[in-house]
Amino acid sequence: EPEVTQTPSHQVTQMGQEVILRCVPISNHLYFYWYRQILGQKVEFLVSFYNNEISEKSEIFDDQFSVERPDGSNFTLKIRSTKLEDSAMYFCASSEALRDINGYTFGSGTRLTVV
Amino acid sequence: GESVGLHLPTLSVQEGDNSIINCAYSNSASDYFIWYKQESGKGPQFIIDIRSNMDKRQGQRVTVLLNKTVKHLSLQIAATQPGDSAVYFCAENIGTSYDKVIFGPGTSLSVIP
Repeated sequence: EPEVTQTPSHQVTQMGQEVILRCVPISNHLYFYWYRQILGQKVEFLVSFYNNEISEKSEIFDDQFSVERPDGSNFTLKIRSTKLEDSAMYFCASSEALRDINGYTFGSGTRLTVV
Repeated sequence: GESVGLHLPTLSVQEGDNSIINCAYSNSASDYFIWYKQESGKGPQFIIDIRSNMDKRQGQRVTVLLNKTVKHLSLQIAATQPGDSAVYFCAENIGTSYDKVIFGPGTSLSVIP
């Protein structure tokens, strides 16, 4: 079964450092998303991406965040200068169409720990 | 404002019994609802969805009920199995914002063998 792949599974970084979280969406999907989940809390929308541009973003997704699809297969989330409160599980997701009948397909996540 | 919430944060069920997980939503503009299952260390996994023009939808061992009058959503799992132990999230998608899914806080389901 096709899956969304995220790397690394766990990243530890020092406060103030830049991190790039990587995702390989399902190959025929056109819509890409990043969500995050602070430990024990609900999953929060960060950003959606379609046709090489951001289609929607939340209040969390400030100037410290950026996304990119550098080639035909990868989708990345960059945090420019990490803060302690950026520590969370970051999930990438993709979908074939808006509201496709099976919803999104999520990756297994990258656990980011900022120290 | 937009919010999706759950009545019960934790639920323990005997194996073989039916489980019911409840969810309340407050945004009347929501017109598409999804239930996700999240096992430890994994991302949310789609279980079942329902559009606002329906009040019931059935899948394999799962049924989602939607009551728009009281803005209530429930997930019923028949003959609960140990593999059903996970955190369950209801989520909503709003017609004016097709791109994002708003998750509720989650209910932890524990199945007692």
